[in-house]
Amino acid sequence: QKEVEQDPGPLSVPEGAIVSLNCTYSNSAFQYFMWYRQYSRKGPELLMYTYSSGNKEDGRFTAQVDKSSKYISLFIRDSQPSDSATYLCAMSPFQGAQKLVFGQGTRLTINP
Amino acid sequence: DSGVTQTPKHLITATGQRVTLRCSPRSGDLSVYWYQQSLDQGLQFLIQYYNGEERAKGNILERFSAQQFPDLHSELNLSSLELGDSALYFCASSVEGVHTGELFFGEGSRLTVL
Repeated sequence: QKEVEQDPGPLSVPEGAIVSLNCTYSNSAFQYFMWYRQYSRKGPELLMYTYSSGNKEDGRFTAQVDKSSKYISLFIRDSQPSDSATYLCAMSPFQGAQKLVFGQGTRLTINP
Repeated sequence: DSGVTQTPKHLITATGQRVTLRCSPRSGDLSVYWYQQSLDQGLQFLIQYYNGEERAKGNILERFSAQQFPDLHSELNLSSLELGDSALYFCASSVEGVHTGELFFGEGSRLTVL
């Protein structure tokens, strides 16, 4: 079993919809949680960074962490075609960028 | 543009061969990371260097090796290549002392082993 599980999709939704992306994990040592976005033929880029349980909001994006359930989510409100990308969750026991463990990535398409 | 440069962008080679992938980190970043991305395994951490020294090791095969040079560029050497080594290899760099989990990725080197 992988340390981090993420449904690879693909997920296709209409423009303006609320998108929910999720990851589950098994390692209770994970304290730092991230979401990266990867456009086609590009490297991943950091979208959100959270520590421990709770919510964090940045514009149309909200990251949620539930450590008791070992479950993290990313919500995208008012989704736009430009949000079409692969979204990867990542996590680590360490502060910073050391030894990040990534999920498989969910491929998301927003249809105009 | 992340500021991380990787060469070559594409590489096609045969089984049993050896290749070298090159990475130049962002200006000022001392840490370089190598990741392998494949359809079945996702993005997997291989190895990290900090200012020329190996700092952390992940799922890197013994056939693979890396180094970071005094000018901070890094090379990943892949030898005795197998079909299963076909993947996208990413280099990333990070700023030390900034605890945001932010890696700056290059655009990757796509390796195809025939």
